[in-house]
Amino acid sequence: DGGITQSPKYLFRKEGQNVTLSCEQNLNHDAMYWYRQDPGQGLRLIYYSQIVNDFQKGDIAEGYSVSREKKESFPLTVTSAQKNPTAFYLCASGIRGRNYGYTFGSGTRLTVV
Amino acid sequence: AQTVTQSQPEMSVQEAETVTLSCTYDTSESDYYLFWYKQPPSRQMILVIRQEAYKQQNATENRFSVNFQKAAKSFSLKISDSQLGDAAMYFCALINAGNNRKLIWGLGTSLAVNP
Repeated sequence: DGGITQSPKYLFRKEGQNVTLSCEQNLNHDAMYWYRQDPGQGLRLIYYSQIVNDFQKGDIAEGYSVSREKKESFPLTVTSAQKNPTAFYLCASGIRGRNYGYTFGSGTRLTVV
Repeated sequence: AQTVTQSQPEMSVQEAETVTLSCTYDTSESDYYLFWYKQPPSRQMILVIRQEAYKQQNATENRFSVNFQKAAKSFSLKISDSQLGDAAMYFCALINAGNNRKLIWGLGTSLAVNP
């Protein structure tokens, strides 16, 4: 079955460490997105990519980095520059040029310890 | 700027009853799409229903239907015959059909279903 796989489901990071969240899709979608979800704040866009080797900053990109070397993969790195990284992170994908809505992964809960 | 507003942070409904969740939006675009997403306790975001702005007919998906009032910029979700599995956060979202397409999200409504 096609879908989006996010891993790991839970991730713990020490202060000052970089961590990478994985997002893989086998839906043949061109566009991929990373969102951060905090209680009471809804979903906020971190980065998005509409084609391979190209990506754009979203509304809260500071302290995060991404790459899009393959169509199927869009990993998110949370760097030590992100001051408050504890949150729930959702990856999504969609068909470029079509407005059918996004397909979401099951998310990664990142906690700084 | 585009905005999506969900004015009901929390709602509840009795099992088998009907509930309506409100959503208003603002956009200067004429071509756009509206969505309702459901996020159950598992936190997986699931698309519930989609509405094209150029269509006057309200979208329906089984027990889920919308009341789309374009002039009023209102997009409410009606859940009929509510089931325990409908308990979740519900998010309203808007996307413009331009080149720089990003979903604009509301803050969500938490729906509780009482047995």
